[in-house]
Amino acid sequence: DTEVTQTPKHLVMGMTNKKSLKCEQHMGHRAMYWYKQKAKKPPELMFVYSYEKLSINESVPSRFSPECPNSSLLNLHLHALQPEDSALYLCASSQDPTGAISYEQYFGPGTRLTVT
Amino acid sequence: KQEVTQIPAALSVPEGENLVLNCSFTDSAIYNLQWFRQDPGKGLTSLLLIQSSQREQTSGRLNASLDKSSGRSTLYIAASQPGDSATYLCAVRYNQGGKLIFGQGTELSVKP
Repeated sequence: DTEVTQTPKHLVMGMTNKKSLKCEQHMGHRAMYWYKQKAKKPPELMFVYSYEKLSINESVPSRFSPECPNSSLLNLHLHALQPEDSALYLCASSQDPTGAISYEQYFGPGTRLTVT
Repeated sequence: KQEVTQIPAALSVPEGENLVLNCSFTDSAIYNLQWFRQDPGKGLTSLLLIQSSQREQTSGRLNASLDKSSGRSTLYIAASQPGDSATYLCAVRYNQGGKLIFGQGTELSVKP
């Protein structure tokens, strides 16, 4: 099973709202990722968690707050977003990213976020 | 600067044609290169992963090659079908951190 699940599929939120995106995998992967993708553009990395610790933050604004409660779950907490934050948010996972062998990243279906 | 480029940006072919998608990268010190497929509004589906020590990988009608010295990878699709219509992305991983650097993608349309 190479499935990464994401909820919700669609989210509309106002600029003063607080919401969360969720991602789950049961493949035993120890690395999980958040990407942001604008229309007609490739995904851009936001955060990487390795063994439940934040290992990469690509200078993402603090209105995006990631959380990794355990090795299977990844959340992205959203607060005071701007309309330009509207995008497809993709979660991915892979096996140990720190070892000598590099592994495939598996992506979820994404959450389509619209900020009004 | 580590950059990944895909040419062409869009490609339209008749059904049954064999085709090649190109990916080039500026820094040859890669860990691996991964090809993905993305349908409109959907997530990414991993097609093939080539480790830096490998020259090619095959899966069904797909064959991906890697030439680190020239900074190039190609994705060969044999006997294309309308169901192959999608955007194809290549992504390069340069270090142990797991970060992928994506090309801009090639939007493929296979006409019946």
